[in-house]
Amino acid sequence: EAQVTQNPRYLITVTGKKLTVTCSQNMNHEYMSWYRQDPGLGLRQIYYSMNVEVTDKGDVPEGYKVSRKEKRNFPLILESPSPNQTSLYFCASSSLTGNNSPLHFGNGTRLTVT
Amino acid sequence: AQSVTQLGSHVSVSEGALVLLRCNYSSSVPPYLFWYVQYPNQGLQLLLKYTTGATLVKGINGFEAEFKKSETSFHLTKPSAHMSDAAEYFCAVSGSGGSYIPTFGRGTSLIVHP
Repeated sequence: EAQVTQNPRYLITVTGKKLTVTCSQNMNHEYMSWYRQDPGLGLRQIYYSMNVEVTDKGDVPEGYKVSRKEKRNFPLILESPSPNQTSLYFCASSSLTGNNSPLHFGNGTRLTVT
Repeated sequence: AQSVTQLGSHVSVSEGALVLLRCNYSSSVPPYLFWYVQYPNQGLQLLLKYTTGATLVKGINGFEAEFKKSETSFHLTKPSAHMSDAAEYFCAVSGSGGSYIPTFGRGTSLIVHP
């Protein structure tokens, strides 16, 4: 089954404790992206990647890191999480066959930083 | 540059009533337009998309949307709401500047009353 898999689904942590949210897709997609979703603000893009070893900042990259060492994986790293990073996070992927290629989303990771 | 405006953060309808969710976009080129749906505790999934050709697009679960270039709109409709339609709906646009990266609206929460 074609899918984007995020782990974990729920995560509670404390300020300053490094964490990684994993994202993997099995559709051989070139494009992958991370979003955060907050009430009233919709989806905001954190980072994206057009292919292996190619990453770029989105609209809200501060406090986050990503890497794309393999085509299928695109982990999101919070080196020193802060309470303002409490949010719902989504990973998404797409083929780059044209501007009409839709995004495929994971089921989300709900992060709470205390 | 491209942008999306979804009018109304919440829309409330009775079961069996018409659903109308509004989306207006701005784009410097002919756009690619998408509607995504997010059910509770799930990621976003594609509802329908407009690329070229027929301006009335049919999607899953009885939804459809009409591309109106003169009004720069892509409103989503469904003739008769079901309780299962209660979800968050996002409009998105891509294509401006040759960008594959979609821009999302802030979302509209559809509430369906029995």
